[in-house]
Amino acid sequence: EADIYQTPRYLVIGTGKKITLECSQTMGHDKMYWYQQDPGMELHLIHYSYGVNSTEKGDLSSESTVSRIRTEHFPLTLESARPSHTSQYLCASSGTGGRTEAFFGQGTRLTVV
Amino acid sequence: SQELEQSPQSLIVQEGKNLTINCTSSKTLYGLYWYKQKYGEGLIFLMMLQKGGEEKSHEKITAKLDEKKQQSSLHITASQPSHAGIYLCGADYTGTASKLTFGTGTRLQVTL
Repeated sequence: EADIYQTPRYLVIGTGKKITLECSQTMGHDKMYWYQQDPGMELHLIHYSYGVNSTEKGDLSSESTVSRIRTEHFPLTLESARPSHTSQYLCASSGTGGRTEAFFGQGTRLTVV
Repeated sequence: SQELEQSPQSLIVQEGKNLTINCTSSKTLYGLYWYKQKYGEGLIFLMMLQKGGEEKSHEKITAKLDEKKQQSSLHITASQPSHAGIYLCGADYTGTASKLTFGTGTRLQVTL
């Protein structure tokens, strides 16, 4: 059972609003990731972090920003939401050593109207 | 991602039938991860295959990695309704077991 949590699960918000998607993990993982999932199922990496105060942009350009002030917490922020930001956002974390697989949260389905 | 192609895109099988999903990479794989996703939820890890070619089984699911072809297959024996969902393969192209590149996904339906 993965100990990684995302809130909210669903969010409907108006254009221009600022939003923060929360992601927390209790596994002590150094690596954390944000993926954006299209309706067609494909996942695209938009942000990743290898540890506290380390953040990098992923392969898919995104207007969102992230921060990593604590190991367990990796929030994603959109300063001004637009309808094009409507998507499913998935947070994941992975450790080092024997088990390398990423554990995923339940996701946040964001709808911008 | 065009680097990683999954086939078929969708699959409908009758309960009890066997099925295979393929994942083909255009680049060298350091590792290949299989995940399952229920609609609208997160991904559940199934199996990880190492570079060099490997085969793993868990319950009725077997996954293989063919290093020569840079291709992985996921085989389900005697499918059940609980197998329904979206299957995604994720490629490790960096050797760091992080920043996976995901395939396009295969949607599996199992009919009674």
